[in-house]
Amino acid sequence: DAGVIQSPRHEVTEMGQEVTLRCKPISGHDYLFWYRQTMMRGLELLIYFNNNVPIDDSGMPEDRFSAKMPNASFSTLKIQPSEPRDSAVYFCASGGWVGGGGYEQYFGPGTRLTVT
Amino acid sequence: AQSVAQPEDQVNVAEGNPLTVKCTYSVSGNPYLFWYVQYPNRGLQFLLKYITGDNLVKGSYGFEAEFNKSQTSFHLKKPSALVSDSALYFCAVRDRRGGATNKLIFGTGTLLAVQP
Repeated sequence: DAGVIQSPRHEVTEMGQEVTLRCKPISGHDYLFWYRQTMMRGLELLIYFNNNVPIDDSGMPEDRFSAKMPNASFSTLKIQPSEPRDSAVYFCASGGWVGGGGYEQYFGPGTRLTVT
Repeated sequence: AQSVAQPEDQVNVAEGNPLTVKCTYSVSGNPYLFWYVQYPNRGLQFLLKYITGDNLVKGSYGFEAEFNKSQTSFHLKKPSALVSDSALYFCAVRDRRGGATNKLIFGTGTLLAVQP
């Protein structure tokens, strides 16, 4: 498996523009998580899905943020309109049960977002 | 409350010496614990996990972790540090609130610096 795939890897945009981040989880995983990492706040969980259904979005900072998971192999995180304080690295992670080994969660490489 | 604490922001060790990165946890019920490593400009990589059984868990890159129930700790260890082990290390615990979920609660991270 190629692991968790995220695109784009880097995004530079101007304040007020819409930004869409994409994620393809590991095949067979039933959990998907969106995190944000900054120097100031560390690693923050924004939202997570189980079987494509949003379970907890309490970490989504504002209504400007939205996430969808239309099917088991794709999720998006959208910011509209973007602001400079949204600049961060956004990680997608997927989780699932490994044979005889319990649950494991794997992270994608991240999208580095810069809003100017 | 469910939580994880990494008491050291940074750990410095000389190459070839043993290393320990500390983690303590607070959960209801039996803990489900993880260690992740993050190299610069990369996503978090799964190192190892503890579910049950042997208190000494072996993981990737020669790392191991010792589960201590009485001290509620799960310290990461390696007998001989390499310069290439320099990275940010995160401890995490599975959130048990609201029933069994696969959401992980992460510590704030410990920066490991191995000097040649």
